[in-house]
Amino acid sequence: ELKVEQNPLFLSMQEGKNYTIYCNYSTTSDRLYWYRQDPGKSLESLFVLLSNGAVKQEGRLMASLDTKARLSTLHITAAVHDLSATYFCAPRRGSEKLVFGKGTKLTVNP
Amino acid sequence: DSGVTQTPKHLITATGQRVTLRCSPRSGDLSVYWYQQSLDQGLQFLIQYYNGEERAKGNILERFSAQQFPDLHSELNLSSLELGDSALYFCASSVRPSLGADTQYFGPGTRLTVL
Repeated sequence: ELKVEQNPLFLSMQEGKNYTIYCNYSTTSDRLYWYRQDPGKSLESLFVLLSNGAVKQEGRLMASLDTKARLSTLHITAAVHDLSATYFCAPRRGSEKLVFGKGTKLTVNP
Repeated sequence: DSGVTQTPKHLITATGQRVTLRCSPRSGDLSVYWYQQSLDQGLQFLIQYYNGEERAKGNILERFSAQQFPDLHSELNLSSLELGDSALYFCASSVRPSLGADTQYFGPGTRLTVL
C-alpha cells in the first residue's frame, strides 16, 4: 500500500525567508499533486507533476518531482503571510486513488 | 470556486441517525470522489464513481454508502451515526481517472457534527 510522509508537519517561518517542504512516498507513482487548504476551507489544487524531473512554479511556490527517489519538494521563496495554510502532497499511480500526506501546516509570521 | 457544489454546508445530528450528503460535480466531469477529513485520521479516500458506476473503494465503513445518478450528481449516505463520524466530508470531481493530469477539484465540504 502506498504510504506518504511529509516533512515537516509544522513550519513556522518569518516573512521573506525561504523553506522547503518534503514529500516522500513508498511505491512507484506516475503523478503527484500538491494542494493547499486554508483553515475550515476546501482543498485548492496547486500543482500536478507528471514526470520525473518535472518542475512547476507559481508565484513564490515551486514544486519538483524525482520519481526515482520517490520524492517531491515544495519550495517557498520569500514567504509572505498569505501563504499561511496547510499544504498536502498526494501521489497517484495510474487511475488508483490519491493518497494524501498528513499535511504541512505553514505559518508565516511578520 | 472549483465548480463542485456540496449541500448542506453544515449538518448537526444525533447518534444513530441517518444523513445524506449531496454533491454536484463540475460541468463535464464524469468522476466523483468522496473523502473524509478528521483531525485524527487526516484525509481519507472513501469511494469513487465514474459515469454512474462504482470505480474504487477506500476506507468506507459498511454503514456508509454512495451512488452516482444519471445526471452525474452523487450522494453519500451515512447511517447509524456515531460520534466518531463527525468530520468534514469532501466531494471532488475530475474528467476521467486515467486521463492526463486528471486533477481532482474539491467542493466546499459538508461539516458533519454528531452529538
